[in-house]
Amino acid sequence: GESVGLHLPTLSVQEGDNSIINCAYSNSASDYFIWYKQESGKGPQFIIDIRSNMDKRQGQRVTVLLNKTVKHLSLQIAATQPGDSAVYFCAENFAGGYNKLIFGAGTRLAVHP
Amino acid sequence: DAGVIQSPRHEVTEMGQEVTLRCKPISGHNSLFWYRQTMMRGLELLIYFNNNVPIDDSGMPEDRFSAKMPNASFSTLKIQPSEPRDSAVYFCASSPGTDSGGYTFGSGTRLTVV
Repeated sequence: GESVGLHLPTLSVQEGDNSIINCAYSNSASDYFIWYKQESGKGPQFIIDIRSNMDKRQGQRVTVLLNKTVKHLSLQIAATQPGDSAVYFCAENFAGGYNKLIFGAGTRLAVHP
Repeated sequence: DAGVIQSPRHEVTEMGQEVTLRCKPISGHNSLFWYRQTMMRGLELLIYFNNNVPIDDSGMPEDRFSAKMPNASFSTLKIQPSEPRDSAVYFCASSPGTDSGGYTFGSGTRLTVV
């Protein structure tokens, strides 16, 4: 088995607060970005996406911001709830005809009542 | 739609045995992806198919790993022979294959090689 684990950065927030999860992506040519949520024992679940011709996109309680200058992506969750506790991944799509999503390391969000 | 269906959910096997993981993508999706997730390396893309054709298998760790997609509704990932370091959760995902829309992931297969 594995004796050394990858330590995920953890963001701890109080229920009702807003959460901001950050991600640095690697390829300046990437043209499409997605945030995924993964709960324990489940596969990643799509949250929201954004194309490179946009700076901001809003969904229900979530907002994604894209800064192409510094290759930075963020996910904002409004009024965080206990059900938001999970690991969040950003993924970038390498441009070139086919969807090929490369995932970041992930951030664990812990929501405390 | 039932989503992406993977089987088995859990697999425990002895080192040296052959392991076959199965995936049924969402009907109408023409891109299929196999990922491996471990604590050490996170989510790694192993291989992906478009219209049943392997497009990029550069993520496949070594020759012990092989993947097939004989038709639009079925794919397998095979490990032969398996080793303890192959222990991980293996995810299959599918997408419409256009340049929009995220992937839909299956629930994964947790593989333990002892």
